[in-house]
Amino acid sequence: SAVISQKPSRDICQRGTSLTIQCQVDSQVTMMFWYRQQPGQSLTLIATANQGSEATYESGFVIDKFPISRPNLTFSTLTVSNMSPEDSSIYLCSVPEGDTQYFGPGTRLTVL
Amino acid sequence: GNSVTQMEGPVTLSEEAFLTINCTYTATGYPSLFWYVQYPGEGLQLLLKATKADDKGSNKGFEATYRKETTSFHLEKGSVQVSDSAVYFCALKGGSEKLVFGKGTKLTVNP
Repeated sequence: SAVISQKPSRDICQRGTSLTIQCQVDSQVTMMFWYRQQPGQSLTLIATANQGSEATYESGFVIDKFPISRPNLTFSTLTVSNMSPEDSSIYLCSVPEGDTQYFGPGTRLTVL
Repeated sequence: GNSVTQMEGPVTLSEEAFLTINCTYTATGYPSLFWYVQYPGEGLQLLLKATKADDKGSNKGFEATYRKETTSFHLEKGSVQVSDSAVYFCALKGGSEKLVFGKGTKLTVNP
């Protein structure tokens, strides 16, 4: 299966600031997904990132708040902008491989 | 749309007890079904999967059978260990690449 790494693994940020999360895959993939997991909750898909095109956002998520870059087939970034305490979550990237999706280790974000 | 309904937790068991976590789904067509596990402080790991009716996925002593007639994919393990303490998520993938997750079930196994 694909090996996925994320940076940072965790961070504590002040409200009003922005954080960029990186996701690196050890193989080329067409699609990458970004998920949010709020405390004690399940995973919610934020957006799908395809190389060479704009990300596709799910209902309730907007590009101004969660801009995504996908400069090549092995890398993507998610920025959480103008953060508030409600953005405190685990953010995970994932990639499909065959009929399965594999996840990165996640970035634990706390906003004070 | 597609949806997954998962047994509410938390579930607390003693070591060597039998585990069942119920999962039912609603989907058009023939989805693939998955169980993911999240150990404390970690990301999601694929535990097992089944891609067609009557398939049985198995891994680490856990099993789940894809039951189309009951639209279920219950997770079972005959004898749980303390190290199985985690949150378990049932998920399905339909025609698109998007995964739909259940709410998760927290399992605590006591020695």
